[in-house]
Amino acid sequence: GAGVSQSPRYKVAKRGQDVALRCDPISGHVSLFWYQQALGQGPEFLTYFQNEAQLDKSGLPSDRFFAERPEGSVSTLKIQRTQQEDSAVYLCASSLTGRPLASESYNEQFFGPGTRLTVL
Amino acid sequence: DQQVKQNSPSLSVQEGRISILNCDYTNSMFDYFLWYKKYPAEGPTFLISISSIKDKNEDGRFTVFLNKSAKHLSLHIVPSQPGDSAVYFCAALYSSASKIIFGSGTRLSIRP
Repeated sequence: GAGVSQSPRYKVAKRGQDVALRCDPISGHVSLFWYQQALGQGPEFLTYFQNEAQLDKSGLPSDRFFAERPEGSVSTLKIQRTQQEDSAVYLCASSLTGRPLASESYNEQFFGPGTRLTVL
Repeated sequence: DQQVKQNSPSLSVQEGRISILNCDYTNSMFDYFLWYKKYPAEGPTFLISISSIKDKNEDGRFTVFLNKSAKHLSLHIVPSQPGDSAVYFCAALYSSASKIIFGSGTRLSIRP
């Protein structure tokens, strides 16, 4: 079946522009995550949805960042008034559930290819 | 403050030999540790995990070792193959939360 898809794959924005990044998770996956990966760094958590409920948004760096998943499937990450420091790869991941199914198992998060955002 | 640290940005290993990637962490409350592999222009893909109650997990050519007293884990790949050339991320998470905390990655190059 299809994996996690993200669009656009590349986005160039002028400073101050608003951008919207889309994520299509694997069908049937309850949990959806957004991560930000700066150059040379590992991905950093931004926010987490279980179905349509945003359960954790502790990683969003400022109130310019907003994420939604209104019908519990597709999600959009919106960045308002983009700044140069927002330049990064934005990764979306989905998993079947948010918590481990058993005490010794890990619910794999499947990642999309990312959207590379460049703010000029 | 980085909770998960990969101190070697890069590693070069000859094909057929063992690759050992290292990772240190600071929080003893992590419940799971993960290794993800990433090729250019692709998202990370899950490789192997280990629960904090284990000290070893093996899957084919890949073995992860966990030393809780030292807060250290390592990934062993043997024998190393050209397709193993990628960036490897060490990561950790709590069972009470779902977000993954990643290290900064180690770029592994397998030379012929």
